[in-house]
Amino acid sequence: GESVGLHLPTLSVQEGDNSIINCAYSNSASDYFIWYKQESGKGPQFIIDIRSNMDKRQGQRVTVLLNKTVKHLSLQIAATQPGDSAVYFCALEEGYSTLTFGKGTMLLVSP
Amino acid sequence: EPEVTQTPSHQVTQMGQEVILRCVPISNHLYFYWYRQILGQKVEFLVSFYNNEISEKSEIFDDQFSVERPDGSNFTLKIRSTKLEDSAMYFCASRTDGQETQYFGPGTRLLVL
Repeated sequence: GESVGLHLPTLSVQEGDNSIINCAYSNSASDYFIWYKQESGKGPQFIIDIRSNMDKRQGQRVTVLLNKTVKHLSLQIAATQPGDSAVYFCALEEGYSTLTFGKGTMLLVSP
Repeated sequence: EPEVTQTPSHQVTQMGQEVILRCVPISNHLYFYWYRQILGQKVEFLVSFYNNEISEKSEIFDDQFSVERPDGSNFTLKIRSTKLEDSAMYFCASRTDGQETQYFGPGTRLLVL
């Protein structure tokens, strides 16, 4: 079956640092990728998405990079804040808009 | 900002009992989804629903599961005879036509004893 995985289960950073969370995927046919943030006890919250015809997309303090050659997706968070502490999931769209999620990386931001 | 809502937030049930998890998708959304997340694991797709019928379902979504849109606002997931391994967070999600972004509800934590 399809797999979507994350390289680091936990990332600890200092407030103000830039954070990078990585994700590898195996389905080369996927053309839509999303990053979700999940805070404790809450549902996944959409952060940013990217289609396969792009290799970079920027939002507010976040950037997603897509390398289709090596099937790698990353989320960059600039000037990380304590409120950014959460579990971050990459997900890709398969089938008729169904999402396959990665295992998640926990981001811990120290003040 | 419109949100997906889910009730109840927590549900405890005995093994073998039926449960119904309820969701109110965002009002102009047409595509609806259920996912589950077993404690400490990743979010898993269960089923998608559009135009009053199932679009896709995963291997998890067996005959014990069913979905329904009983009226213009609610979207429900029924588990007919719960098993211990059904214990998980269940998330509802929805999206509008023409956009791929799925918006998730806060989840229902189901505990089967």
